[in-house]
Amino acid sequence: DARVTQTPRDKVTEMGQEVTMRCQPILGHNTVFWYRQTMMQGLELLAYFRNRAPLDDSGMPKDRFSAEMPDATLATLKIQPSEPRDSAVYFCASGLDTSNQPQHFGDGTRLSIL
Amino acid sequence: DQQVKQNSPSLSVQEGRISILNCDYTNSMFDYFLWYKKYPAEGPTFLISISSIKDKNEDGRFTVFLNKSAKHLSLHIVPSQPGDSAVYFCAASSYNQGGKLIFGQGTELSVKP
Repeated sequence: DARVTQTPRDKVTEMGQEVTMRCQPILGHNTVFWYRQTMMQGLELLAYFRNRAPLDDSGMPKDRFSAEMPDATLATLKIQPSEPRDSAVYFCASGLDTSNQPQHFGDGTRLSIL
Repeated sequence: DQQVKQNSPSLSVQEGRISILNCDYTNSMFDYFLWYKKYPAEGPTFLISISSIKDKNEDGRFTVFLNKSAKHLSLHIVPSQPGDSAVYFCAASSYNQGGKLIFGQGTELSVKP
């Protein structure tokens, strides 16, 4: 079964450090989504791409977060500088840009900012 | 403004019985609805979906019902098995709004042997 791959699985770092999370979408999928899961907010959308072009990043704190797709096999989410409130599980999902197609999720990056 | 709501944080069911998980939404633009299952330390796994042009979709032990007038959908699992114990998320999307998923808060299902 094709899967979305996320690295690293876990990341612990100190406040102020740069964090980079990576995602390899399923081959052939042309939409990529970044979600964040916290106890308070549940699963919330941060940003998404279609054919590598950013479509919506309104869910991201833009002063510190950035999302890119350098190529069709890699999506990145960066936080600089990181803050304790960024601690969460970050999920990447990919899908096909046609109606009624589900997104498929990776296993997430568990981020802890001390 | 929570557009997708799962009002029951948890549900406990006996093995072999029916599990019914509920979800309400407010945005009438949603045209596609999904259920995901999530185990600890894993990502959400797609389970079943339904288009707004249908009112029922069935896949093995899983059936999703959609009531558009009530803006309500439900997931039925029959018969429930201990391996079904997980957190279930309801999600909704609108193709015209980019297909991004709006999730409910999740319902933790526990199926007891």
